[in-house]
Amino acid sequence: NAGVMQNPRHLVRRRGQEARLRCSPMKGHSHVYWYRQLPEEGLKFMVYLQKENIIDESGMPKERFSAEFPKEGPSILRIQQVVRGDSAAYFCASSPRLSQETQYFGPGTRLLVL
Amino acid sequence: LAKTTQPISMDSYEGQEVNITCSHNNIATNDYITWYQQFPSQGPRFIIQGYKTKVTNEVASLFIPADRKSSTLSLPRVSLSDTAVYYCLVGERDTGRRALTFGSGTRLQVQP
Repeated sequence: NAGVMQNPRHLVRRRGQEARLRCSPMKGHSHVYWYRQLPEEGLKFMVYLQKENIIDESGMPKERFSAEFPKEGPSILRIQQVVRGDSAAYFCASSPRLSQETQYFGPGTRLLVL
Repeated sequence: LAKTTQPISMDSYEGQEVNITCSHNNIATNDYITWYQQFPSQGPRFIIQGYKTKVTNEVASLFIPADRKSSTLSLPRVSLSDTAVYYCLVGERDTGRRALTFGSGTRLQVQP
């Protein structure tokens, strides 16, 4: 059973460009979480989604950031008009619908904004 | 959410037992204590979870005193591959259904 997959693993963007980060949850998992991690810091929650629904976006910046988890395909975290402060590692985690298992994290996408 | 306090870093040598203590003075009655491990360039991984007394699995042991205001993660006979950041989290038991709050963690460096 493949784990949580994220791509790309590394992404370089210039200021003002758009960044799209993809997350494929583990098979059978319908809950997806996005976290951001700055260097030397812990992960900070951004958004929690189920298929086609945003459950909790309390950690998401109000502007430029959006997330979706369509019925088919991976979850997408989209950052518009990136700025240098968006440089960070972005981790996706997934969990199953009908169990008390914990969240399983992907390897992350490291975004560098030049 | 209960705030947690951990040492910023710890050093150890291969074969030693490592104990990482986490303080959580404001832990609520329904809160559980969960520890995650994060290797460089990877996402965190669940290690162990407990409510009180002692919990042991194939990776670690978790000691929780009666007042539950602190907990200690114990790693027996560490190896170089145990070099990682260890996070103590406090909250509801079901870590698969809520946002997780990570502190800065404890950076463990294991030397040969």
